[in-house]
Amino acid sequence: EVQLVESGGGLVQPGRSLRLSCAVSGFTFEDYAMQWVRQAPGKGLEWVSGISWNSGSIDYADSVKGRFTISRDNAKNSLFLQMNSLRTEDTALYYCVKDWDISSSGTFDYWGLGTLVTVSS
Amino acid sequence: SSKLTQPPSVSVSPGQTASITCSGNNLGDRFVSWYQQRPGQSPVLVIYQDNKRPFGIPERFSGSNSGDSVTLSISETQAMDEATYYCQAWDSSTAVFGGGTKLTVL
Repeated sequence: EVQLVESGGGLVQPGRSLRLSCAVSGFTFEDYAMQWVRQAPGKGLEWVSGISWNSGSIDYADSVKGRFTISRDNAKNSLFLQMNSLRTEDTALYYCVKDWDISSSGTFDYWGLGTLVTVSS
Repeated sequence: SSKLTQPPSVSVSPGQTASITCSGNNLGDRFVSWYQQRPGQSPVLVIYQDNKRPFGIPERFSGSNSGDSVTLSISETQAMDEATYYCQAWDSSTAVFGGGTKLTVL
């Protein structure tokens, strides 16, 4: 059974940093690209970032470029999102998402339950 | 990246066919996926590459892509299909989601 378990969310002040983690199981992690997608309270889905199987290809949404860094550790079956210079508009539920291909394909076949990030003073 | 436009809401009677559209520039040149999100739950992939169904998704769900618009169709709609549906495409190394369509089964 595929499982994606996010952690690291919480309440943080504007301008501070937070690091999200995603522990995966149930599939061969190193064979697939991974994504982060977020959803602000009561709003729609917004893609944040994607990383290929070997970290050779990394993409970001314009809204987070230069502030967020995606990474992965294939040996530990883990995905990360380092979030710096956080803004109130970054408040959202952050989902860890499995891509169905080795590089970002636009088909996201498994989603975690999400971890909530609240940016507020 | 280009924008994907969906109607905010669609209503359907039980047993009828629901159609949800998604429009955007040159959608016909890209593969589109559809996700179902029930209240309080994570999204679930229901259609990928325009018209393919993942394992476990009922045949009632189908998709089509023609030019600048794509359509998700749900035949024999049931109460359990009530959810928000999002279209999504990959464009210039970014993923773009539509704003979501809330399907109400009356």
